[in-house]
Formats: sequence, C-alpha cells, structure tokens
Amino acid sequence: KNEVEQSPQNLTAQEGEFITINCSYSVGISALHWLQQHPGGGIVSLFMLSSGKKKHGRLIATINIQEKHSSLHITASHPRDSAVYICAVTIRGSNYKLTFGKGTLLTVNP
Amino acid sequence: EADIYQTPRYLVIGTGKKITLECSQTMGHDKMYWYQQDPGMELHLIHYSYGVNSTEKGDLSSESTVSRIRTEHFPLTLESARPSHTSQYLCASRSGVGDTYEQYFGPGTRLTVT
Repeated sequence: KNEVEQSPQNLTAQEGEFITINCSYSVGISALHWLQQHPGGGIVSLFMLSSGKKKHGRLIATINIQEKHSSLHITASHPRDSAVYICAVTIRGSNYKLTFGKGTLLTVNP
Repeated sequence: EADIYQTPRYLVIGTGKKITLECSQTMGHDKMYWYQQDPGMELHLIHYSYGVNSTEKGDLSSESTVSRIRTEHFPLTLESARPSHTSQYLCASRSGVGDTYEQYFGPGTRLTVT
C-alpha cells in the first residue's frame, strides 16, 4: 500500500465547476505539498502545508493532521487548470525527502 | 521565480551510449534531487545531495551516478544506456534546514533509449 493515496485518479469537469482532489497519507509527516504538472512540462509547487488552510487565487488547500488527510480545491475551474495534481509529503525523520502520490489527472472542458 | 535548468529537454539515444543529463540552479540551494518518472506513474527519488561532495542513493535503485562538485551543478550520468532507462528525469532543489521548505523543480529531461 502506498504511503500517499490520491483520489480520484482521473477527473473531468466543465468550465466553472468547483473541483476537489483528495490526499490521504498513512505516516507521520512534517509537511504536505501540492504540486502541478502540465503535460510535457515540469512541476510547479502550489502549496506547502503543515497545518490549517492556505489560499492562492482560485486554489485552496486544507490539511487535517489528526485525520491524515488533505484536500485541494479549485473554484471556478478553467481549461488552463487541466494538469496532473500531485500530493507529496515529507515523512518525519526522512531527511527532507518527498514521498509522492500517483497524481490526479484533471481535465476541464470549455 | 525558481531558476533551475535541465538540458537536454529531450534526448533519443541508442543502446550502449554514455549520457549525462545536466541540472543547474542559480539559487544557491544546498539540497538537490534527481527523480525518475515513468508515464502515468509517481515520481521516485533516485539520487540526492545535501551539498558539495555529498551524494546519496534514493529510494529507487538506479544504474545512474551523480556528482556534486559545485553547489549549482548536479549532473546525472548513465554509463551505458538501455531501453529500460527510457523515462522522464526531473531535477529539484531546495534550501534550508528542516522539512518546511519548498522544492523547486526543473522542466525535466525526457529520455528515450532505442
């Protein structure tokens, strides 16, 4: 079983819809990261969380440490949001290494 | 804006060739990482470095080697490329002590070995 599980694996939405991507982890962590990867492109860090909630534009990330769960929300989705969204964690004591989920492929249709 | 560069972006090469994938960052970060990512799969750490002359193998076994002679430069070498090495290779770096620092990723090198 992976230490980081994401759901759903694939998500198709219509432009304007509210989107939620979930991430669950099974280990003690010191930080959780949400990353965005466009097709053929590199990876951009969206958020790094150790508690609570962060917001950047139309993106909101939350984390519940007790439940070992995080969500990434996209409000008023747009076709340019189409990408793979990756959840990654820094496991406590892992010497700064990231452990990644498999990613969620989001397609937003116009 | 993160300044981390990888060359080449795409490489098609025959079996048995020696290749070096370049990674450079201009942010003065001491920690650098190489990840391998197969299509549709998660990233796996293959090498990391915490500073000059420090290199460690990652969680995924790899036939590649790395060096860190300068802070800004972390090249990855395959002595004899094989079709099983076909993958995307991503370099990353970060600063700071402690776990609550972002990693910055390069654009990746997509390697195809024929």
